[in-house]
Amino acid sequence: SQKIEQNSEALNIQEGKTATLTCNYTNYSPAYLQWYRQDPGRGPVFLLLIRENEKEKRKERLKVTFDTTLKQSLFHITASQPADSATYLCALDRSSGYALNFGKGTSLLVTP
Amino acid sequence: EPEVTQTPSHQVTQMGQEVILRCVPISNHLYFYWYRQILGQKVEFLVSFYNNEISEKSEIFDDQFSVERPDGSNFTLKIRSTKLEDSAMYFCASSVSVLGGGGDTQYFGPGTRLTVL
Repeated sequence: SQKIEQNSEALNIQEGKTATLTCNYTNYSPAYLQWYRQDPGRGPVFLLLIRENEKEKRKERLKVTFDTTLKQSLFHITASQPADSATYLCALDRSSGYALNFGKGTSLLVTP
Repeated sequence: EPEVTQTPSHQVTQMGQEVILRCVPISNHLYFYWYRQILGQKVEFLVSFYNNEISEKSEIFDDQFSVERPDGSNFTLKIRSTKLEDSAMYFCASSVSVLGGGGDTQYFGPGTRLTVL
């Protein structure tokens, strides 16, 4: 079955540095991959979508790469700020439809 | 900016009782979803709904669950006989997906925290 793995350990970085989060998947070839942000007690908020034929996508301080050979996506936040502290979720399309399968998420803490 | 709304924000119920969770998706969206998140665990897909019928459901979505779009704006999730393990945050989401093909952004509501005692 489809498996999505994200760093289970929290990532602590200093303000201004670049945060890099990893999403690995197995047993599937997704058509697209999405990254969401989730704050405690809140619903996921869409950040970026990258399709299988795209290598890289950028939006402001965010960058996503998608390597379908390695079955991996990297999510970068440059010039990180304390307000970026949250859990970041990787999501892949389910092979059977348009719904999403989520990874467990990586918690990011940016300290001043 | 349009947003998905959900009511109530918190529902406490006794085991065996029926609950209905309500959602108002974004008005021009055509696909609707329910997900749940047990505390400390990942967000899990339950069901998707399109054109007034279920388009996909997960193995979690068994006979105790049902969904309905009773009017032009609301989308509901009913749990017929709640169990302790149904305690979770339930998220409604919607997406445009006019032409299909997937890949559309899903907009999530703030969630309903269901506590089954």
